[in-house]
Amino acid sequence: AQSVSQHNHHVILSEAASLELGCNYSYGGTVNLFWYVQYPGQHLQLLLKYFSGDPLVKGIKGFEAEFIKSKFSFNLRKPSVQWSDTAEYFCAVNNSNYQLIWGAGTKLIIKP
Amino acid sequence: EAQVTQNPRYLITVTGKKLTVTCSQNMNHEYMSWYRQDPGLGLRQIYYSMNVEVTDKGDVPEGYKVSRKEKRNFPLILESPSPNQTSLYFCASSFIQPGGTDTQYFGPGTRLTVL
Repeated sequence: AQSVSQHNHHVILSEAASLELGCNYSYGGTVNLFWYVQYPGQHLQLLLKYFSGDPLVKGIKGFEAEFIKSKFSFNLRKPSVQWSDTAEYFCAVNNSNYQLIWGAGTKLIIKP
Repeated sequence: EAQVTQNPRYLITVTGKKLTVTCSQNMNHEYMSWYRQDPGLGLRQIYYSMNVEVTDKGDVPEGYKVSRKEKRNFPLILESPSPNQTSLYFCASSFIQPGGTDTQYFGPGTRLTVL
C-alpha cells in the first residue's frame, strides 16, 4: 500500500534554530506533494506545494521544501524558527487515483 | 468569503443512531473529501469525490457513506455509528490539477463522540 512517512513525531527546538522535517513517500508514479500546517485550534492550511518544475519550493512564513525524486523525499526546512511556528506539520502526496495520502504528522514545539 | 462549512461542529451520539455531517463549499471546487484525524495517525481519507455523482473510497471507508448530488455539498453519513468512529472529522475541497489535486481548503472540523 502507498504510504507517507514523517520521521519525527515530536520535535522541540529553541527559537532561531534551523528546522528540517523529513517526509518520504512510497508511490512511484507522478506525484503532487504538499506540506500543511495546523496551528493550535485552527484549520489545516497549506504551507507549500510541488507539482512540477524547480524541485526547491518556497512557501509561506519562510518555509521551503526540496523534492528529491531519487530519494522519494520532500523535506521541509526553515533556517530560523520562531515561537509562532509551534504547530503540527503534515506531509501529503497525491497518487494517480487522486487519493491524498497523509503522513502521521510532526508536532513542533518552539521554546521561547 | 470563500469557505468550507461543516455542521455540526460537535456531536455526541449513541451507538447505532444514524447521523449525517454536512459539508458545503462555495468555491466551485470539483474535488471534495472527508478525513478523520486521530492522535498519532494523522489524517486518513475516508471518501473523496472528483465531481457530481463521482465518489471513491479512501483509506478508511468502512462504516461511512457519502453522496455528491450537487457540486457544493458532500455529506458524510454514518448509518450505524460505533465507538471506534469517535474522532475529529474534516471536510475539504479543491480544484483538480493534472496528476492530482490542488490546495485543499479545510472546514473547521466536527468532533464526534459515539457512546
